[in-house]
Amino acid sequence: DTTVKQNPRYKLARVGKPVNLICSQTMNHDTMYWYQKKPNQAPKLLLFYYDKILNREADTFEKFQSSRPNNSFCSLYIGSAGLEYSAMYLCASRTGGDTQYFGPGTRLLVL
Amino acid sequence: GEKVEQHQSTLSVREGDSAVINCTYTDTASSYFPWYKQEAGKSLHFVIDIRSNVDRKQSQRLTVLLDKKAKRFSLHITATQPEDSAIYFCAASRGRGSALGRLHFGAGTQLIVIP
Repeated sequence: DTTVKQNPRYKLARVGKPVNLICSQTMNHDTMYWYQKKPNQAPKLLLFYYDKILNREADTFEKFQSSRPNNSFCSLYIGSAGLEYSAMYLCASRTGGDTQYFGPGTRLLVL
Repeated sequence: GEKVEQHQSTLSVREGDSAVINCTYTDTASSYFPWYKQEAGKSLHFVIDIRSNVDRKQSQRLTVLLDKKAKRFSLHITATQPEDSAIYFCAASRGRGSALGRLHFGAGTQLIVIP
C-alpha cells in the first residue's frame, strides 16, 4: 500500500491565524516532503524531513514550520496565515528509490 | 537554482494519435527526470522516469527522451486514449544523493484526448 493521507482535505483560515496541516504514511518511508501548489503554477517544494532532520528551502525558510513526531506523521505549520498562503498543499513521501508518492492534498483558503 | 519549464499549457489530440509534451531544465547537474500525472480531482501519480545515464526509456505506450546537451526531455504517448486526459508534470532532480530527492517541477501540461 503506497497511500499517503492528508488531513484535513479542506481548510478555511482567517488572516493572521495559525494553520496546521497533517500528513501520514504507513510505508515506513524515511523522507517526507511538503509542496505548495497554486493554480497554473508548478508545485513548489517548501521543506522536507529526511528521518528526523528538517530541511527548509531558502525562500520559504521563515514562513513554514514542520514537525515529525514519528516516522509516520509530518505536519506543516503556518504561524500567521496571509492571503498569499491560499493554495493546495501536497505531502509526499519516499524511501530508497527516487519515486515520491503524493497524498491527495489539502486545499487551504485564507480569508 | 534549477528551473524547469513546460511551454505547452494545453495540448489537444484525437484519440489514437500521439502526444508529445516537452520540458526544459537549467541545472546541468540534474540527473533524474520523472513525470507525474494528475487526473481530475486526484493527486499526482508517478508514471515514468529517466536517468541521465540513458537517453530513452519506454514503458508500454509511454516513452521518455532525454537530450542532455539541449537540457530538454519529453514524454511521448502513443495511441492516446480518453483516460490519458490529465495534467502531466515534468520534474528534475539531482537525485536522492546530495539533493535528497528535491524535485523541481514544471507548471504542467493539460492533455486533452478528444474521442
